[in-house]
Amino acid sequence: SAVISQKPSRDICQRGTSLTIQCQVDSQVTMMFWYRQQPGQSLTLIATANQGSEATYESGFVIDKFPISRPNLTFSTLTVSNMSPEDSSIYLCSVDYRDTGELFFGEGSRLTVL
Amino acid sequence: AQKITQTQPGMFVQEKEAVTLDCTYDTSDQSYGLFWYKQPSSGEMIFLIYQGSYDEQNATEGRYSLNFQKARKSANLVISASQLGDSAMYFCAMREKAGAGSYQLTFGKGTKLSVIP
Repeated sequence: SAVISQKPSRDICQRGTSLTIQCQVDSQVTMMFWYRQQPGQSLTLIATANQGSEATYESGFVIDKFPISRPNLTFSTLTVSNMSPEDSSIYLCSVDYRDTGELFFGEGSRLTVL
Repeated sequence: AQKITQTQPGMFVQEKEAVTLDCTYDTSDQSYGLFWYKQPSSGEMIFLIYQGSYDEQNATEGRYSLNFQKARKSANLVISASQLGDSAMYFCAMREKAGAGSYQLTFGKGTKLSVIP
């Protein structure tokens, strides 16, 4: 399986600030996915990031709020902009390592906004 | 309508007993995949088991097995010989085509399993 590292693992942020979450994979992958898990809830797909193209956002998520970079086949970042307490969640990076639909996940980044 | 339904918000099981976590799904696709993930309190998502819609045999991975009943659109997870370390949230997920050759994974709301010593 892929080794997926996320940074930071957790952070406490002030309202109105922005935070960038990094995701590093130990092998090249075509598609990387960013999910959000609000407290006590299931996972919701934010966007799909393919290298060399703009990220594809799901309904309810916009690029201005969640800009994503995908500079190469092993790395991606998700920025949570102008944060509010409602953005307090676990943000998870995932990859389809074998192009089978089986997703492997990073450890998650637990974000608390005060 | 929900694509993935997990009707058990919480379950308790005695250590060393077996437990079944329910999952039903809704899709009009002929080709799809069903997954189970485990999420301990630490937050990471751990892949457990996969069942393809065309797989005739139920998937098994160690103590995990998937009871796949295609006509009933159910994909229940069976954990045998429960261990204390099995206490976690369990999510059922379905992979469907999302258009233009891509696919999407949709998660259920999860079931919190607590293993009692």
